[in-house]
Amino acid sequence: SQQGEEDPQALSIQEGENATMNCSYKTSINNLQWYRQNSGRGLVHLILIRSNEREKHSGRLRVTLDTSKKSSSLLITASRAADTASYFCATDGLDQGAQKLVFGQGTRLTINP
Amino acid sequence: KAGVTQTPRYLIKTRGQQVTLSCSPISGHRSVSWYQQTPGQGLQFLFEYFSETQRNKGNFPGRFSGRQFSNSRSEMNVSTLELGDSALYLCASSLMAGLNGYTFGSGTRLTVV
Repeated sequence: SQQGEEDPQALSIQEGENATMNCSYKTSINNLQWYRQNSGRGLVHLILIRSNEREKHSGRLRVTLDTSKKSSSLLITASRAADTASYFCATDGLDQGAQKLVFGQGTRLTINP
Repeated sequence: KAGVTQTPRYLIKTRGQQVTLSCSPISGHRSVSWYQQTPGQGLQFLFEYFSETQRNKGNFPGRFSGRQFSNSRSEMNVSTLELGDSALYLCASSLMAGLNGYTFGSGTRLTVV
């Protein structure tokens, strides 16, 4: 079963705009990770934020984490057509067993040229 | 360096048959995890191996099994295939049990007819 809920399920924006995706989870976590998936292929690791961090940046990506609300957001700035993909958050939890990721349902992002 | 290699990429099997999928992790990575992805259930954890030992197992029936060899390569086996086993099976490897994220392979697309 999925732990996380992602919002929105689908997002369509114009190239150059910013895209924001949200993720909520249910249990305590060690860290939260974001992955990208293109057309049903493998997942690509984007960024990891630990439970004691509140914000993290990587290139055009910005991730925030609010452990009190059990939520995270992923912001992609200045979007490009190549950013079109599905984005998943995944939690590495304290009480879900070691070395196990629990994924959200994902957000399907479409960047229109 | 080479990424995570999964073979075969595509597989078609008949109900009742069994199947073995293979995963070669990144050189030096000793943790290998398996996930099943379906449109209905999303991404679900199957099991994780480290140094030939299964450390964690997801909520799947006993028909799903796996193993890891001394060179860290891993195989998963599904016996008595059912139509519902049709899915993308993803393998992920990590150096430090996912503390810095996981590297996923491109997956094996299994279709059961």
